[in-house]
Amino acid sequence: KAGVTQTPRYLIKTRGQQVTLSCSPISGHRSVSWYQQTPGQGLQFLFEYFSETQRNKGNFPGRFSGRQFSNSRSEMNVSTLELGDSALYLCASSSNQQGTLNSPLHFGNGTRLTVT
Amino acid sequence: AQSVTQPDIHITVSEGASLELRCNYSYGATPYLFWYVQSPGQGLQLLLKYFSGDTLVQGIKGFEAEFKRSQSSFNLRKPSVHWSDAAEYFCAVGASGYSTLTFGKGTMLLVSP
Repeated sequence: KAGVTQTPRYLIKTRGQQVTLSCSPISGHRSVSWYQQTPGQGLQFLFEYFSETQRNKGNFPGRFSGRQFSNSRSEMNVSTLELGDSALYLCASSSNQQGTLNSPLHFGNGTRLTVT
Repeated sequence: AQSVTQPDIHITVSEGASLELRCNYSYGATPYLFWYVQSPGQGLQLLLKYFSGDTLVQGIKGFEAEFKRSQSSFNLRKPSVHWSDAAEYFCAVGASGYSTLTFGKGTMLLVSP
């Protein structure tokens, strides 16, 4: 089974621009979560989608948004980029349907976003 | 809200020596506990998890962890470290009924020859 695939692997953007990151979950997984990883703040939860609906949201500004498609693929968008948005963005999928952790999260290799 | 503390930012262990990485959590009820490992340029790989039952859990790559409720700890251990174990290790906690994880800041493991 193919793992979680994130594209692109690397992105360089300028302050004020917007960016879209893509995540394809493991086949059959309908839950997709996004995490931001920075040296200062560590790993922080952004949001989770299940069956095209946002099920949970972390404490991030409205510039961060996401969506999920009917094939469970997910995208996250960051508008009006700031220098502090430079981070590794990790996507994780799970076979959980109840919004629990009974099935573990499987992470992709991430998209490294650099904002200049 | 739950939180996780990994007291050691860096640890250096000689190859073949034993390893223990510390993790303390804060959560009012019985937590869901996880250890993940991250190699440079890679995502997170699940090593092991604890939900309930036996407090000593076995994971992949020869790792084990012990849940101690009285100490709010979930320390990761390996009896003999290999050079390929050099990576960053993250402890995470989740709450029953929720699908999100709260991670510690990580411990970087260096393995010396």
